[in-house]
Amino acid sequence: AQSVTQLGSHVSVSEGALVLLRCNYSSSVPPYLFWYVQYPNQGLQLLLKYTSAATLVKGINGFEAEFKKSETSFHLTKPSAHMSDAAEYFCAVSAGSARQLTFGSGTQLTVLP
Amino acid sequence: DAEITQSPRHKITETGRQVTLACHQTWNHNNMFWYRQDLGHGLRLIHYSYGVQDTNKGEVSDGYSVSRSNTEDLPLTLESAASSQTSVYFCASSFNRGPSDTQYFGPGTRLTVL
Repeated sequence: AQSVTQLGSHVSVSEGALVLLRCNYSSSVPPYLFWYVQYPNQGLQLLLKYTSAATLVKGINGFEAEFKKSETSFHLTKPSAHMSDAAEYFCAVSAGSARQLTFGSGTQLTVLP
Repeated sequence: DAEITQSPRHKITETGRQVTLACHQTWNHNNMFWYRQDLGHGLRLIHYSYGVQDTNKGEVSDGYSVSRSNTEDLPLTLESAASSQTSVYFCASSFNRGPSDTQYFGPGTRLTVL
């Protein structure tokens, strides 16, 4: 079975500052890793995913994440936060033959003016 | 445009009543999923289907059922609603290439059980 831990249920950054959202995973087989974003009162939207093609994955809206097997991590970063980045972010994992996702508990990102 | 829709968007019901939440996708995706979202728990998988007539239990399936009679729809039924089932419910779908498939989510249904 696989699992995901997101460190920090709430993260606040100033506009223009670096965004770093942490995700650690556990999986007995090579994982596929996803970051989704949820804006208020909306469904989830894919930001990016790791499918073993490249360890540094670039996504939409300037976000990227790096897969580090030795650290079992898949942290999400963005060099400069915008007010529009305020949302909840979910890390998720799938592995083996499973097509269903296991989600972390989410991180609420607040961007301060 | 292809999409995934959920109805109703908001529902208030009473304890003990049967409730059905609809999910409809027009991508012709084989895989469909139901999740519930609760504070502190992220999204948890309720049921999923890999094709017509196929259904499987997820992590939190007690008190819920699904049926898949066509590719487009996966309705979620709460047989006898309980207050613990007050939550936001999301439906998702994906194609059928494997575990790296992107799941596409509907807008959610907010269910309140009084």
